[in-house]
Amino acid sequence: EDQVTQSPEALRLQEGESSSLNCSYTVSGLRGLFWYRQDPGKGPEFLFTLYSAGEEKEKERLKATLTKKESFLHITAPKPEDSATYLCAVQAYGTASKLTFGTGTRLQVTL
Amino acid sequence: DGGITQSPKYLFRKEGQNVTLSCEQNLNHDAMYWYRQDPGQGLRLIYYSQIVNDFQKGDIAEGYSVSREKKESFPLTVTSAQKNPTAFYLCASSIEGAQYYNSPLHFGNGTRLTVT
Repeated sequence: EDQVTQSPEALRLQEGESSSLNCSYTVSGLRGLFWYRQDPGKGPEFLFTLYSAGEEKEKERLKATLTKKESFLHITAPKPEDSATYLCAVQAYGTASKLTFGTGTRLQVTL
Repeated sequence: DGGITQSPKYLFRKEGQNVTLSCEQNLNHDAMYWYRQDPGQGLRLIYYSQIVNDFQKGDIAEGYSVSREKKESFPLTVTSAQKNPTAFYLCASSIEGAQYYNSPLHFGNGTRLTVT
């Protein structure tokens, strides 16, 4: 059974204080790992797809990396508008387009 | 602008009543999905459809039903058989086909259903 574990559950940062969110996964054969951002009361918004170990992708203050067992979402010099819940999901080979999601990390960035 | 529209945003029902949640997309995506989100749990797949007039059960299909009569629409009915229907329901869509390898899911903004 595919599993995704995200840590920490919640993270509070001051503006400009860089940190990383962790996504550990167990999957029979990784087809892709996805990061999403979700604001309160809204649907998740797609950020990145990673396919193979060693891959990195960047968008503004966010950088996602992937190893064979986990993915990190690095947030550099965060701003209050980066406050959201960040979700990680994996897709395994042979599962059509089904994703297995983690429970998310709730990030709060304060002034 | 293209996107996924879920309606209504909030829905209240009495226990024992069936209720239908609407999901419409104008992205011309082939596949559509329904997820349920509960506090402290990851999104869980209820049903998905990769093509019109066909759909498959997800991990928690019991007490739910769907139809896919049009490419743009994928309504979800929460029946009285669903034991814990109060939740945040998310509809999503994606492009299918080998040329769109690993295309991401695009989500609507959800319907919060409260059953009392």
